[in-house]
Amino acid sequence: NAGVTQTPKFRILKIGQSMTLQCTQDMNHNYMYWYRQDPGMGLKLIYYSVGAGITDKGEVPNGYNVSRSTTEDFPLRLELAAPSQTSVYFCASSSTGGGSNEQFFGPGTRLTVL
Amino acid sequence: DAKTTQPPSMDCAEGRAANLPCNHSTISGNEYVYWYRQIHSQGPQYIIHGLKNNETNEMASLIITEDRKSSTLILPHATLRDTAVYYCIVRALPPQGAQKLVFGQGTRLTINP
Repeated sequence: NAGVTQTPKFRILKIGQSMTLQCTQDMNHNYMYWYRQDPGMGLKLIYYSVGAGITDKGEVPNGYNVSRSTTEDFPLRLELAAPSQTSVYFCASSSTGGGSNEQFFGPGTRLTVL
Repeated sequence: DAKTTQPPSMDCAEGRAANLPCNHSTISGNEYVYWYRQIHSQGPQYIIHGLKNNETNEMASLIITEDRKSSTLILPHATLRDTAVYYCIVRALPPQGAQKLVFGQGTRLTINP
């Protein structure tokens, strides 16, 4: 199992450009999440999904969009990139129902907007 | 959601037990205590969770006070690889639906040789 994979690892964008951060999980998890982490801070939830076709906003959704067409993939779209979106982005997934609801995180995408 | 308070940093000698405290005085009856850690900007890693009983797994032990207002994560024999930021998170366990974790700034634990 690869777990949660994210691409790219690093990216530099110019102000106003757009891009899609890719996230894939091979654990057949229904729940997927996008977080961002600014320097020296904890993670903040951007969007999450409870299954294919269902997404919802987290704490800091402005400037982002998501889609969930398959169980495996949960891409995050940045439109009109701004310097405030410079951050490290983490994707995570978890299984449904009981247990610990442990979230499995990807390695992150480090994004710089200049 | 219950707020948590953690010391910003701690040091521990290699081979010793590392005891990381967390205060959560406003915790509700249905909220669990979760611990995650983040090693050098990698994605966070789940460690352990508990409701009111003490818990132990292969990574750590979790001690929750009887009134549930505080807890301690114990790494019994800390190694250099345990150097990381440790996050204490209090959340209810949803019977259905996503668990939206709220990360504070955590405790930066440094294990010294």
